[in-house]
Amino acid sequence: GENVEQHPSTLSVQEGDSAVIKCTYSDSASNYFPWYKQELGKGPQLIIDIRSNVGEKKDQRIAVTLNKTAKHFSLHITETQPEDSAVYFCAASEGNFNKFYFGSGTKLNVKP
Amino acid sequence: DVKVTQSSRYLVKRTGEKVFLECVQDMDHENMFWYRQDPGLGLRLIYFSYDVKMKEKGDIPEGYSVSREKKERFSLILESASTNQTSMYLCASTVTGASYEQYFGPGTRLTVT
Repeated sequence: GENVEQHPSTLSVQEGDSAVIKCTYSDSASNYFPWYKQELGKGPQLIIDIRSNVGEKKDQRIAVTLNKTAKHFSLHITETQPEDSAVYFCAASEGNFNKFYFGSGTKLNVKP
Repeated sequence: DVKVTQSSRYLVKRTGEKVFLECVQDMDHENMFWYRQDPGLGLRLIYFSYDVKMKEKGDIPEGYSVSREKKERFSLILESASTNQTSMYLCASTVTGASYEQYFGPGTRLTVT
C-alpha cells in the first residue's frame, strides 16, 4: 500500500519568516495530495490540495508544489503569522472511495 | 455550514468494556471514515463506509467493528477495550465525486484504564 513520509516533525519559525514542510509518497498511482491543518482541540481542516496533473498551486500565503517524478510534494507558507501555529498533515490518495494515507504530521510554531 | 459531530469529546473506559463512538454528519455524504490519531503516527484509517450497511476495513481494523444503519450515522465499536486503544479517534465524511475534501469531527479522546 501507499506510504507517506513527512518532515520535519516540528518546525519553529519567527513571525514573518517562511515555513516549508515536505512529504514523499511511494505509490505512483496516487493522484491527489491534500494538506490539512489541525488546530488545538479541533479536527483537521483542508487548507490546500493539488492533483497530479498540476505542478504548483497557490492560495494567498500558502502554496503547494508537486514533483511526480521524485514522488514528493511540499507545503510553503510565506509571511507566517502566530495563527498559523498548528499541526499540519499531508496526505495522498488515488481517489478510490476517497481513501487517504496521511503523513505523521508537522507541529509548526510561529513565534511572535 | 458543514458539520460532523462526535458523541463525546472525552471518554474514560475500563479494560474489557464495550465502547461505542458515534459520529453524525448533516451533509448527506455517502462516505464516512474512522481514523485514530497517535503522536508520530499521523492518522491511520480503521474502517470506512461508502453506503448504508456497507463497510470496508482500513489499515488497522483489528479490535474494532463499525455500524452504519443510517446514512448520516457511523459508529465505531471497540468490542473489548484494551489499553493500547487509548487514542484520539476522528470521524470524517466526504461526498463521492464532487470533491475529495474530508470533513472531520472534533475528535474523541478515549482513555482505557
